[in-house]
Amino acid sequence: EVQLVESGGDLIQPGGSLRLSCEASGFTVGTNYMNWVRQAPGKGLEWVAVLYSGGSTYYAESVRGRFIISRDNSKNTLYLQMNNLKREDTAVYFCARDKRAYTNGAWYFDLWGRGTLVTVSS
Amino acid sequence: DIEMTQSPSSLSASVGERVSITCQASQDIRNYLNWYQQKPGKAPKVLIYEASKLETGVPSRFSGSGSGTSFTLTINNLQPEDVATYYCQQCENLFTFGPGTKVDLK
Repeated sequence: EVQLVESGGDLIQPGGSLRLSCEASGFTVGTNYMNWVRQAPGKGLEWVAVLYSGGSTYYAESVRGRFIISRDNSKNTLYLQMNNLKREDTAVYFCARDKRAYTNGAWYFDLWGRGTLVTVSS
Repeated sequence: DIEMTQSPSSLSASVGERVSITCQASQDIRNYLNWYQQKPGKAPKVLIYEASKLETGVPSRFSGSGSGTSFTLTINNLQPEDVATYYCQQCENLFTFGPGTKVDLK
């Protein structure tokens, strides 16, 4: 079955660090573009970061310099290392796979995990 | 950065009605616009990609239109299972989601 399963969410104090994992099955993380998207309680979706198959990474302004997206091809797993956490980072974090229907087509997120909750609070 | 707006922020409609949600981009994004549906406690699900292309398995009562900076998601013959929040997303330059439109039944 093709799926994504996130883990690692926790209650963490401001200034702390946390690493989220997203284990893929049914496809290869290393040959796909992979993203993290978050959703604060009762709020909308916010794109966080993308890791391209070639290794390039891009981040939202709100997390740049604090978060790092990476992958372990041997474990077929995507990661999000979150440092210097702030209260406003409290959210459900989803991983999502990029897809486009054809060359030069638009990218869209065709596969999502169920999310993992990160709560930043003292 | 490209900013996205949606209107209305919420709406109520009856079963069988036609519903339209608009999405505006702060700059020209050609047709690089996707629509997602999210039900409470669930992950989002793509409905429409490239402004007007229906994702496989999505009911044909959903349709999308527009290009440039203005886009519309239309739900024809609204069904109870369509109660959800709908988000647009630009993919012209990385990704940005709109703030969402909550649809419920009257």
